[in-house]
Amino acid sequence: AQSVTQLGSHVSVSEGALVLLRCNYSSSVPPYLFWYVQYPNQGLQLLLKYTTGATLVKGINGFEAEFKKSETSFHLTKPSAHMSDAAEYFCAVIRMDSSYKLIFGSGTRLLVRP
Amino acid sequence: DVKVTQSSRYLVKRTGEKVFLECVQDMDHENMFWYRQDPGLGLRLIYFSYDVKMKEKGDIPEGYSVSREKKERFSLILESASTNQTSMYLCASSSTLAKNIQYFGAGTRLSVL
Repeated sequence: AQSVTQLGSHVSVSEGALVLLRCNYSSSVPPYLFWYVQYPNQGLQLLLKYTTGATLVKGINGFEAEFKKSETSFHLTKPSAHMSDAAEYFCAVIRMDSSYKLIFGSGTRLLVRP
Repeated sequence: DVKVTQSSRYLVKRTGEKVFLECVQDMDHENMFWYRQDPGLGLRLIYFSYDVKMKEKGDIPEGYSVSREKKERFSLILESASTNQTSMYLCASSSTLAKNIQYFGAGTRLSVL
């Protein structure tokens, strides 16, 4: 069965430090992968997605993610954290049985210290 | 910009009440979704609709039903609310052309007492 695992329910970084949020997936077919962000009291917003082609994907707000098939990973990074990056981040994969539906990870809350 | 609007941000209901959560999207999207969000569990799909009057169960449909009489509106119904349905509920929509990208409403935080 397909699944998405996000390592670390909470990640804390200092402002200006590297952000690394981990996501591993299981899928027997080439996956479509997504990162969504949820700011406080808001719905989810798409950060970036990988479908085919270049494995390094750039998203909004300076985030990027790299699809590594050999490691079944799709980690999210940002070189320098900003206070406004504090939010919850969700990794997701398209379901095999229906390309309309997503399977979400459990989420990682990013805390940014001044 | 796509806008998905959920009618209430916060709701407090009593056990046994019938509860309606409303969602409206303004982009003529064919697909609409209802999710439940709980800490440590991420988002879980309750129901999905790919067309007017069409619906499909998600992963956790028990205790819920849905209604889609118009393309822009997708309602989630709790027939008899229970305390274990206290949660954040998120509505989303997507188009058939860009079906992988879902647009979310701000959520309704429901408390069942």
